[in-house]
Amino acid sequence: GENVEQHPSTLSVQEGDSAVIKCTYSDSASNYFPWYKQELGKRPQLIIDIRSNVGEKKDQRIAVTLNKTAKHFSLHITETQPEDSAVYFCAAEPSNDYKLSFGAGTTVTVRA
Amino acid sequence: NAGVTQTPKFQVLKTGQSMTLQCAQDMNHEYMSWYRQDPGMGLRLIHYSVGAGITDQGEVPNGYNVSRSTTEDFPLRLLSAAPSQTSVYFCASSYLRSGNEQYFGPGTRLTVT
Repeated sequence: GENVEQHPSTLSVQEGDSAVIKCTYSDSASNYFPWYKQELGKRPQLIIDIRSNVGEKKDQRIAVTLNKTAKHFSLHITETQPEDSAVYFCAAEPSNDYKLSFGAGTTVTVRA
Repeated sequence: NAGVTQTPKFQVLKTGQSMTLQCAQDMNHEYMSWYRQDPGMGLRLIHYSVGAGITDQGEVPNGYNVSRSTTEDFPLRLLSAAPSQTSVYFCASSYLRSGNEQYFGPGTRLTVT
């Protein structure tokens, strides 16, 4: 099955700086890569996703890049704000499988 | 439109007790799934269903049963609770198409003593 590794496990950044989270996956058939944000005590919620036919996608201060050859994808948050403090999960979905395999999560803390 | 709902929010069980975690969705999603979340381990898939009457095992199915008698409901049963099942449980649902957003319920925090 798919194996997703996520780094780092914790990340502390100064407000206004950028944050980068990296994930690798093992199944070359995976073609959908969502990112979920989970605030303390809340449910995970999708913040951005990318499909295998796209190399980069941006939505305001967040962007995701995908390198299919190297089987890794990354989340970039620019101009971080206190409300960006949360746990972020990457995931991968093999083609026509519907099941998501999640990374272990990254706890992001934005220091004021 | 309530989305995905779960009950109860919190539960404490003694070892060996059984219980059912409830999950319902009102979005007419074909795909429903159960995850457990443990510190440092992300979200691990327990069981999933692609439609009424169809269920299958995920990554960590031992000690859990599921059924899907309707499109809306997908209960998770703990047969004989063990301390290792102490976790936060999330139900999720989506349309049955590759690359669709999964919507999560609010979670159930379960403690087994």
